[in-house]
Amino acid sequence: DADVTQTPRNRITKTGKRIMLECSQTKGHDRMYWYRQDPGLGLRLIYYSFDVKDINKGEISDGYSVSRQAQAKFSLSLESAIPNQTALYFCATSDFLAGGPVDYNEQFFGPGTRLTVL
Amino acid sequence: ELKVEQNPLFLSMQEGKNYTIYCNYSTTSDRLYWYRQDPGKSLESLFVLLSNGAVKQEGRLMASLDTKARLSTLHITAAVHDLSATYFCAVGETSGSRLTFGEGTQLTVNP
Repeated sequence: DADVTQTPRNRITKTGKRIMLECSQTKGHDRMYWYRQDPGLGLRLIYYSFDVKDINKGEISDGYSVSRQAQAKFSLSLESAIPNQTALYFCATSDFLAGGPVDYNEQFFGPGTRLTVL
Repeated sequence: ELKVEQNPLFLSMQEGKNYTIYCNYSTTSDRLYWYRQDPGKSLESLFVLLSNGAVKQEGRLMASLDTKARLSTLHITAAVHDLSATYFCAVGETSGSRLTFGEGTQLTVNP
């Protein structure tokens, strides 16, 4: 079944360590996104990519980097993790669709990665 | 900068009651999305609203969009415990490329 998967699902790391979160999708979508979720703040966009050669910063990209290895794979890296990066991280995908007079961008989310930085 | 505000942020209601969650946004858009998140789970798409006056219903939930007022509502009819979850609205940029999420409304339906 077409899906969005994330690995790892849970990760505990120490301050200063480099870590990578991975996202894979079988939906065939071109667009992929990384969000973080903190209590009371909703979801905030970190990076997004419209295709393999197109990477864009979101509203909170500082301290993060990404790699789009293929249409189906989008990885998020924390080069030197810090405690305030403790959060729930979601990957999402979308296929920009023409829906009558208005194009739209319904996003589909992976299961999330719970990251704790000690 | 697009801002999206939901209210209330916390809602505790009894089974069988009706209530409405409001989503206000700050700039012009005619793309509005509602998602549901169960505790510890991912986000599930509920509704996609694409024009002024759009109304969609699924079971006990009904969503509407008023683009002139920059307001969407999610109405809950005769709530049941299974509706307990956090509900997010998200507004699409006019270019269609990004979504901005509200803070979420945590709904608890009590027996």
